[in-house]
Amino acid sequence: EVVLTQAPATLSVSPGERATLSCRASQSVSSDLAWYQQKPGQAPRLLIYGASTRATGIPARFSGSGSGTEFTLTITSLQSEDFAVYYCHQYNNWPPFTFGPGTKVDIK
Amino acid sequence: QVQLVQSGAEVKKPGASVKVSCKASGYSFRNYDMHWVRQAPGQGLEWMGIINPSGGSTTYAQNFQGRVTMTRDTSASTVYMELSSLRSEDTAVYYCARGWSDVLRFSDYWGQGTLVTVSS
Repeated sequence: EVVLTQAPATLSVSPGERATLSCRASQSVSSDLAWYQQKPGQAPRLLIYGASTRATGIPARFSGSGSGTEFTLTITSLQSEDFAVYYCHQYNNWPPFTFGPGTKVDIK
Repeated sequence: QVQLVQSGAEVKKPGASVKVSCKASGYSFRNYDMHWVRQAPGQGLEWMGIINPSGGSTTYAQNFQGRVTMTRDTSASTVYMELSSLRSEDTAVYYCARGWSDVLRFSDYWGQGTLVTVSS
């Protein structure tokens, strides 16, 4: 099973600042890595797939990078609606598909 | 537009079973796999399994083998997830989520979630 770890667990950021979230895989997942945003009481929302491709309708301030075992989600100029929990997800090696434990981005 | 609409919240006693439905619309139902993912209160996302709506084939996570059954009704564009022998630890929100493709199996659209509460 591919284990995903995310860092930090919580990231406190001021509106307008940049946030950098990390996801590490226990073995290579190539570029088969997605990022989701989840707000309280809502389903996850796809942000990034293929490690770096933005999903339809996702603003350009969200960007993803990495391959193999190290991945990064960067949110430039955080907006109020960006404060949420972010999960990485690998779909390279399954079953099972796995998710990271999440990074909560909150207001500093 | 793609929509996944799930059935309503359930309260079950330990040892009982629950069956959650997920009705798809806005796309060709048979052409996209459907995942089931759950989220316990305040916790992360846990993948439960996947069903191919065309042929009905399934793959389940080992953690749920023997307790979960995923089925589909193509005439109703609906998939179902049944979980048996419920225990308190199964209290969670259960999501269906459409697979992007049979090669890239991340989920692009998600249902609204169904809260299942297991309590005596």
